[in-house]
Amino acid sequence: DADVTQTPRNRITKTGKRIMLECSQTKGHDRMYWYRQDPGLGLRLIYYSFDVKDINKGEISDGYSVSRQAQAKFSLSLESAIPNQTALYFCATSGPLGTGSDTQYFGPGTRLTVL
Amino acid sequence: AQSVTQLGSHVSVSEGALVLLRCNYSSSVPPYLFWYVQYPNQGLQLLLKYTTGATLVKGINGFEAEFKKSETSFHLTKPSAHMSDAAEYFCAVSHAGNNRKLIWGLGTSLAVNP
Repeated sequence: DADVTQTPRNRITKTGKRIMLECSQTKGHDRMYWYRQDPGLGLRLIYYSFDVKDINKGEISDGYSVSRQAQAKFSLSLESAIPNQTALYFCATSGPLGTGSDTQYFGPGTRLTVL
Repeated sequence: AQSVTQLGSHVSVSEGALVLLRCNYSSSVPPYLFWYVQYPNQGLQLLLKYTTGATLVKGINGFEAEFKKSETSFHLTKPSAHMSDAAEYFCAVSHAGNNRKLIWGLGTSLAVNP
């Protein structure tokens, strides 16, 4: 079984709709991240969480919100989707600092299309 | 501020030829450096990383990279390209001062021609 799972894998929605993307991990990591990937722009960090009570904005958080329901679950919401949020979204996890385990492990991605 | 530059958004090599993907970084403190690979329709997976110690790092699938502090570079190489190496490659840097968040390059798409 995959260590980091994302649901749904593909989603097509309409402008103005609320969308939630979910991420679950079985790696036991405290740190979780949401990125979006756009062609030619690489990966951009949306939000990150270092533990259940710690949520931080990334470089492109406008239009997004997150919820850390448990150590293993980190959800990304688009309150009112717009077409320029069409992208590939990745969840990632990493271990604590200083342990050599701060490599980030990625889920398979969610391809979101906003019409 | 940290940054990562990957020279060449697209690289094309022949099967069996040397693969060289370039990555330069800027960081005022000792960095951790990473190469990730993304195969078509998949997530990213770690190829290799440099934290401390030996500057030549070996990764999966025959790839290696060398940390050159004087050149602020961490270029990725593979002696002989295989068709299965066709993918997107990302270089990233982090350091303790930013809680080890990764700063990403824009990626290099590698094509391998038969």
